[in-house]
Amino acid sequence: KQEVTQIPAALSVPEGENLVLNCSFTDSAIYNLQWFRQDPGKGLTSLLLIQSSQREQTSGRLNASLDKSSGRSTLYIAASQPGDSATYLCAVRITQGGSEKLVFGKGTKLTVNP
Amino acid sequence: DTGVSQNPRHKITKRGQNVTFRCDPISEHNRLYWYRQTLGQGPEFLTYFQNEAQLEKSRLLSDRFSAERPKGSFSTLEIQRTEQGDSAMYLCASSHWDTNTEAFFGQGTRLTVV
Repeated sequence: KQEVTQIPAALSVPEGENLVLNCSFTDSAIYNLQWFRQDPGKGLTSLLLIQSSQREQTSGRLNASLDKSSGRSTLYIAASQPGDSATYLCAVRITQGGSEKLVFGKGTKLTVNP
Repeated sequence: DTGVSQNPRHKITKRGQNVTFRCDPISEHNRLYWYRQTLGQGPEFLTYFQNEAQLEKSRLLSDRFSAERPKGSFSTLEIQRTEQGDSAMYLCASSHWDTNTEAFFGQGTRLTVV
């Protein structure tokens, strides 16, 4: 059974700091990995998608890496801003017997202090 | 394209009542997912549709839950005889037929059972 773990569960940093969020998964048989942002009481906003054959994806101040063989991904946020405060979720897409789903971690709650 | 749309955004119901939620996916997305999220947890998979076919239903879904996707367009999730434990955010997501593409989520329906 695929399990996704995110560390740390919460992180508080001063504005301007660079930071890394970690995601690990137990089964390397994934199609892709997606990072999401969730603001309180809201839905999920897609940040980055990394295919299983890729090592890295970048969007603005965000950089996500994937090491499929070791079951790890990181989300790097450069020059953090108070507006980055949110919960960050990673999810792996898996297929099973004709079906498919995203399996999520519990998220990392990020607070960026002005 | 306005993204994934979910209605209602909030629902308060008395225990024992039936409720129905609607999800309108992004047009031309043939894959549709329902998830449930409780406070402090990541989204948990409930069910998956490919076009109008329901290909997987999680064990989390008791017999009180039913989902449909007539004609492969919008989807409904019905909960019969609601219980307080059903209180959660219900999220819908859709994605293109190509597995190597992003999943997009709606804003969710917040259910409170009193």
